[in-house]
Amino acid sequence: ETGVTQSPTHLIKTRGQQVTLRCSSQSGHNTVSWYQQALGQGPQFIFQYYREEENGRGNFPPRFSGLQFPNYSSELNVNALELDDSALYLCASSSVGRGGLGTDTQYFGPGTRLTVL
Amino acid sequence: GDSVTQMEGPVTLSEEAFLTINCTYTATGYPSLFWYVQYPGEGLQLLLKATKADDKGSNKGFEATYRKETTSFHLEKGSVQVSDSAVYFCVKAGTALIFGKGTTLSVSS
Repeated sequence: ETGVTQSPTHLIKTRGQQVTLRCSSQSGHNTVSWYQQALGQGPQFIFQYYREEENGRGNFPPRFSGLQFPNYSSELNVNALELDDSALYLCASSSVGRGGLGTDTQYFGPGTRLTVL
Repeated sequence: GDSVTQMEGPVTLSEEAFLTINCTYTATGYPSLFWYVQYPGEGLQLLLKATKADDKGSNKGFEATYRKETTSFHLEKGSVQVSDSAVYFCVKAGTALIFGKGTTLSVSS
């Protein structure tokens, strides 16, 4: 069974640029969630995708957007990067039905460390 | 809104000491509760979970009991090892996973 993978591992961008982070979900999982973890803090929920549609969103601005593909992999896009976007971005996969956000165990990838200069 | 509060760290213990990390939550209803662990340089891993009141989750010598009366889910281990050094997160399921701020545990030999 393949776990959750993320790419790239590390990324350095400058303020105002755009970034795309990628995630492959665990085999058999149809739901992907994205979290932002600032240094020394707990992860904060960005959004979740279920069967290619957004299935819930946290308190993040619209410049944070995402996609889920038919194979359940996912992308997180961030436009107009700000210094405060520097963080570890975590992807988690699970197998839940619509309306069942967070009701099943989520399995996390190793994360992408984004640094915005 | 819903929240999770866990004891601030860092917690520094000697090997074989008893560990307690306190966690309380606010929520409507009875959500599933989890402890996740983040070892240095590694991703978040599920340590244990409890899905209903009075359930006890356990794994690798760690235990936590879902107490609805006190809205708590404290993590305990009777004898910690150096390899337990990590950051521990108390987590509540719901519309999204709600994480506590994390507690850093350092165990010395």
